[in-house]
Amino acid sequence: NAGVTQTPKFQVLKTGQSMTLQCAQDMNHNSMYWYRQDPGMGLRLIYYSASEGTTDKGEVPNGYNVSRLNKREFSLRLESAAPSQTSVYFCASSERTSGGAGEQFFGPGTRLTVL
Amino acid sequence: GQQLNQSPQSMFIQEGEDVSMNCTSSSIFNTWLWYKQDPGEGPVLLIALYKAGELTSNGRLTAQFGITRKDSFLNISASIPSDVGIYFCAGQRGNTPLVFGKGTRLSVIA
Repeated sequence: NAGVTQTPKFQVLKTGQSMTLQCAQDMNHNSMYWYRQDPGMGLRLIYYSASEGTTDKGEVPNGYNVSRLNKREFSLRLESAAPSQTSVYFCASSERTSGGAGEQFFGPGTRLTVL
Repeated sequence: GQQLNQSPQSMFIQEGEDVSMNCTSSSIFNTWLWYKQDPGEGPVLLIALYKAGELTSNGRLTAQFGITRKDSFLNISASIPSDVGIYFCAGQRGNTPLVFGKGTRLSVIA
């Protein structure tokens, strides 16, 4: 039981490049989330998926897109990376079926640098 | 958006001391959660609180859901070096996603 896994762990991009961050969970959770963490800012929600087939914007969605591929997987895409997107990205999942969160479980994070 | 005020922002304590931190909001929440993040890792859930006035312990950690439903407290007794990390509070209101505080960075001096 691996919990929440994220790939890659580290990534360096040049401005304007695109990439997709992958997240998978094996806990059969309905809800999945993407956060970014910046120094002194805590965790800010980018997008979430309350259930398979649905996605909703969080606090800071600009510059990102998401895909809930199936119940297990939720990917985050940067179409044209900008230096302001340099951050640590965390994926999380929870069992709640509504848009709410309850007890979320987090992955180990992806450390992204945009030059 | 909703804001959680978490304090203190950072604290340096001696090993063996007790620690207190809190989280306040201008809005009512119906769930409070406390997480710990070790360096280079994702946050890990420590304690979940679901009822106003609830007091819950997890080993040396004790958390309380404030009676007003606008605050929560976390206490760590007899701190040890492995308590080092960032502690986050998170609140949920209705069916909305969690809102996180900005964290309390704890350093323990042996």
